[in-house]
Amino acid sequence: QKEVEQDPGPLSVPEGAIVSLNCTYSNSAFQYFMWYRQYSRKGPELLMYTYSSGNKEDGRFTAQVDKSSKYISLFIRDSQPSDSATYLCAMTFSGGYNKLIFGAGTRLAVHP
Amino acid sequence: EPEVTQTPSHQVTQMGQEVILRCVPISNHLYFYWYRQILGQKVEFLVSFYNNEISEKSEIFDDQFSVERPDGSNFTLKIRSTKLEDSAMYFCASTNGGQNSPLHFGNGTRLTVT
Repeated sequence: QKEVEQDPGPLSVPEGAIVSLNCTYSNSAFQYFMWYRQYSRKGPELLMYTYSSGNKEDGRFTAQVDKSSKYISLFIRDSQPSDSATYLCAMTFSGGYNKLIFGAGTRLAVHP
Repeated sequence: EPEVTQTPSHQVTQMGQEVILRCVPISNHLYFYWYRQILGQKVEFLVSFYNNEISEKSEIFDDQFSVERPDGSNFTLKIRSTKLEDSAMYFCASTNGGQNSPLHFGNGTRLTVT
């Protein structure tokens, strides 16, 4: 079983749709969960950063962590064409300085 | 907002040549990293560096690789004798290591080995 699993998509939605992106993981020791956005040939850009279980909201983005199910989600409300990118989930153990384990990334296309 | 900067953005080299990839991490950060992303694959951890020494390295980071912080601002990755399979995007990242301090990535160097 892979440590972090993420459906690579692609996911295509109309502008204004609610997007749901998900990752599952196998290692219950993960404590910190992140979502990064990556545009083509650019570095990962941090979107959301969550410690342990719960929800976190930032503008149109909501991150959810369910440690009991080993499942994390990113919701994007009112999606825009500029949201078209690859979304990477990442996680790490206690201590923000530990190495990140990434999912494969989900490619999202938002069409006008 | 401060950012991690990497140079060059694209490097082409011949197999067997040495390359040095350069990074300037965010100035108050203490932990430095190199990650690699082969085209179409996951972002993979290579090495972490703290207090002037390697704190962790992956299986990928063999004797052909080395890292250095030659001065107070630069962080470099050297590949001694490049192979075709070293072709990838190489990302530098940094953090100050606090509980609420995630990794910030640069835009990467695209290494092409011919």
